[in-house]
Amino acid sequence: DGGITQSPKYLFRKEGQNVTLSCEQNLNHDAMYWYRQDPGQGLRLIYYSQIVNDFQKGDIAEGYSVSREKKESFPLTVTSAQKNPTAFYLCASSPSLAAYNEQFFGPGTRLTVL
Amino acid sequence: EDKVVQSPLSLVVHEGDTVTLNCSYEVTNFRSLLWYKQEKKAPTFLFMLTSSGIEKKSGRLSSILDKKELSSILNITATQTGDSAIYLCVLQGAQKLVFGQGTRLTINP
Repeated sequence: DGGITQSPKYLFRKEGQNVTLSCEQNLNHDAMYWYRQDPGQGLRLIYYSQIVNDFQKGDIAEGYSVSREKKESFPLTVTSAQKNPTAFYLCASSPSLAAYNEQFFGPGTRLTVL
Repeated sequence: EDKVVQSPLSLVVHEGDTVTLNCSYEVTNFRSLLWYKQEKKAPTFLFMLTSSGIEKKSGRLSSILDKKELSSILNITATQTGDSAIYLCVLQGAQKLVFGQGTRLTINP
């Protein structure tokens, strides 16, 4: 079955620690995205990548970093510089950046900072 | 099949005018309707609507959802040249985001 997987489902972090959220897709999509969702708010774009070895900042990139070494994988690192990291993180992919009109997204990771 | 249809597809107005953009949808598992503004990169979030009849407002922009009519509108008052962009209506379903075709809005000085 094709799809997007994210892990872990729940993640707890102590203040000052970096954590990495995994996102893998087997849809053969070129473009991948990371969003953050806070209660009562829509998805806000953190980073996106249109092709391997390329990624761009979204609207709220500060305190986050990404890499795109393989087409299937787009991990997100939440660094200690992110002031308010507790949120629900969604990864998505689309066939290309131009074809953003239909993005499939994974089940999400809920990050809680203790 | 989930579907989002926006109208008009293109709109050209003069600075200072008020515009209304329309979005209608069909969906099996509605979670929310999102409005985005797209300029030269991936879309920027504007509003999320989940309940009918409650207007969301941000400056000169406002939006409202009508679940009975399966539609939403985005209003922009006192338009400025910086409002020129593609405005996207996006449906958040059970495990999918479905984007409309977008309305290309051009504001002439």
